[in-house]
Amino acid sequence: DTAVSQTPKYLVTQMGNDKSIKCEQNLGHDTMYWYKQDSKKFLKIMFSYNNKELIINETVPNRFSPKSPDKAHLNLHINSLELGDSAVYFCASSQGRGERAFFGQGTRLTVV
Amino acid sequence: AQSVSQHNHHVILSEAASLELGCNYSYGGTVNLFWYVQYPGQHLQLLLKYFSGDPLVKGIKGFEAEFIKSKFSFNLRKPSVQWSDTAEYFCAVNAQTGANNLFFGTGTRLTVIP
Repeated sequence: DTAVSQTPKYLVTQMGNDKSIKCEQNLGHDTMYWYKQDSKKFLKIMFSYNNKELIINETVPNRFSPKSPDKAHLNLHINSLELGDSAVYFCASSQGRGERAFFGQGTRLTVV
Repeated sequence: AQSVSQHNHHVILSEAASLELGCNYSYGGTVNLFWYVQYPGQHLQLLLKYFSGDPLVKGIKGFEAEFIKSKFSFNLRKPSVQWSDTAEYFCAVNAQTGANNLFFGTGTRLTVIP
């Protein structure tokens, strides 16, 4: 069983559209994250959720919104997509501070 | 604010060569340190981590890293690389107190030539 799964794996969409990327973890972790990996391979934290509360929110555009229906899910919704949003987005989870983070396979978003 | 620097952007080695990838971080407090690897087409995997204790940490696939606190460094080493080590390598850090947040370096692409 996949520990952290993201869907879709690839997403191609036009500018201005609204899209969502889903993430689910079956590890019973209490913290989930979204990272963005840009074309230079730099990974930057976007959000983390702990017990359904947003505890970290880096300076990302408010077009991005994390939605956590329950402890096992953290979906990423993006409004009014822009060309610069093209990147690979990784979901991750961990149990406690400093514990190993488990990553999903990533979702490659291409905005055309 | 925390930050992580990986100065080697792309390293090309022949098989059996020795590897050392640099990682420096900036943070005044106590940290946990990680090396992650991303093989082509795959998700990130943990190579090794340092929380406390022996500063020389051994990980999977023959990798090791040494934490030098005075230099704020956590360099990754392997005595003899293989073609299958071709991948992106990311150093990461998070603080042992405060927000639970992993900060990654920009990554180093390793290409091993058979």
